[in-house]
Amino acid sequence: EVQLVESGGVVVQPGGSLRLSCAASGFTFDDYTMHWVRQAPGKGLEWVSLISWNGGSIYYADSVKGRFTISRDNSKNSLDLQMNSLRTEDTALYYCAREQNLGTLDYWGQGTLVTVSS
Amino acid sequence: QSVLTQPPSASGTPGQRVTISCSGSSSNIEINTVNWYQQLPGTAPKLLISSNNHRPSGVPDRFSGSKSGASASLAISGLQSEDEADYYCAAWDDTLHGPVFGGGTKLTVL
Repeated sequence: EVQLVESGGVVVQPGGSLRLSCAASGFTFDDYTMHWVRQAPGKGLEWVSLISWNGGSIYYADSVKGRFTISRDNSKNSLDLQMNSLRTEDTALYYCAREQNLGTLDYWGQGTLVTVSS
Repeated sequence: QSVLTQPPSASGTPGQRVTISCSGSSSNIEINTVNWYQQLPGTAPKLLISSNNHRPSGVPDRFSGSKSGASASLAISGLQSEDEADYYCAAWDDTLHGPVFGGGTKLTVL
């Protein structure tokens, strides 16, 4: 059974940093591109970043470019998101998701909540 | 402001057929396939329709998708109370190098 479990969400002050993690199991992790998608409270889905199976291709949404860094450790079946210079508008539930093909996200975690507030 | 455009709400009575539209552009829907996600209250999104009209295993055939040009639609026939959820369309965007989402449509079963 495919499982994605996010962790690391906390309350952080504006300008602060945070590292989210996603533990994957139930599939061959290094066969898949992985994504982070976020959802602000009461709002819709917003794609954040993706990383290809070997880390050779990485892309970010304009809203986080230069502040967030995605990475993966295939030996540990884990996906990370380093978030720096956090803003109040980064407050959201952050999901990691597996890509089936070209942006089709076939499995999602339950999300981890990041709150940026003073 | 979402890249793809969906109506914010839709509604129907049990047994009815409802459709949800999704409008995009030449960098996303027009040249790539469309996916639909269902998000039940308090849960993570779930892939409902992929590649315009493919239902993953376990998705009832009451759900169907279609695409024409830069627009797509999701149809739900034989509406049931458990279909009450938020529905999001999405497609790969060649300019942004990532998937783009619609703003979501909240479906209410009256």
